[in-house]
Amino acid sequence: RKEVEQDPGPFNVPEGATVAFNCTYSNSASQSFFWYRQDCRKEPKLLMSVYSSGNEDGRFTAQLNRASQYISLLIRDSKLSDSATYLCVVNSPPGGYQKVTFGIGTKLQVIP
Amino acid sequence: DARVTQTPRHKVTEMGQEVTMRCQPILGHNTVFWYRQTMMQGLELLAYFRNRAPLDDSGMPKDRFSAEMPDATLATLKIQPSEPRDSAVYFCASDQRHGGGTDTQYFGPGTRLTVL
Repeated sequence: RKEVEQDPGPFNVPEGATVAFNCTYSNSASQSFFWYRQDCRKEPKLLMSVYSSGNEDGRFTAQLNRASQYISLLIRDSKLSDSATYLCVVNSPPGGYQKVTFGIGTKLQVIP
Repeated sequence: DARVTQTPRHKVTEMGQEVTMRCQPILGHNTVFWYRQTMMQGLELLAYFRNRAPLDDSGMPKDRFSAEMPDATLATLKIQPSEPRDSAVYFCASDQRHGGGTDTQYFGPGTRLTVL
């Protein structure tokens, strides 16, 4: 089983729709979680951190479920500019340093 | 606007040749990462350094890959000899970490490597 798993998609949604992605992780000792966004042929960029209490940034909401070991990203009122690949990142503490693991990414295509 | 820079941006080479990729982390960042991205495997961590010391290179094929930080402003990733299966985009990223905490990783634009 992969340490971090994501559905690669693509998710094709109409403009204005709400879409949600999940990302599961296998290491219960994982400490911190993030969502990154990657545009085609570009580098990944931080979208938002994921806190235990959940957090919201405009149309984006991230949540963490430690019991079931997954994080989620909800995008409301999708825009064409939201089309990108969304990568989840899990940091695990295997000792004196943290191991960083990226999911393979979920591709989102917002359609006019 | 501080950025991670990488050179070259594109590299086409023949199998068996040596490839060297360079990265300049953001000034003041103490942690540098090297990743490889392919369609099939996604983003894989190859190695990372903190305060120029290698902390983890378990993701890197040891027989042909080597990573170094000759100084705080330069990280290098070398492949010798290169093989077609090394074709990928290689990203460098840096961040500023204190103790065991995490911070935002800033990625460079990547080096797109093609080995023929």
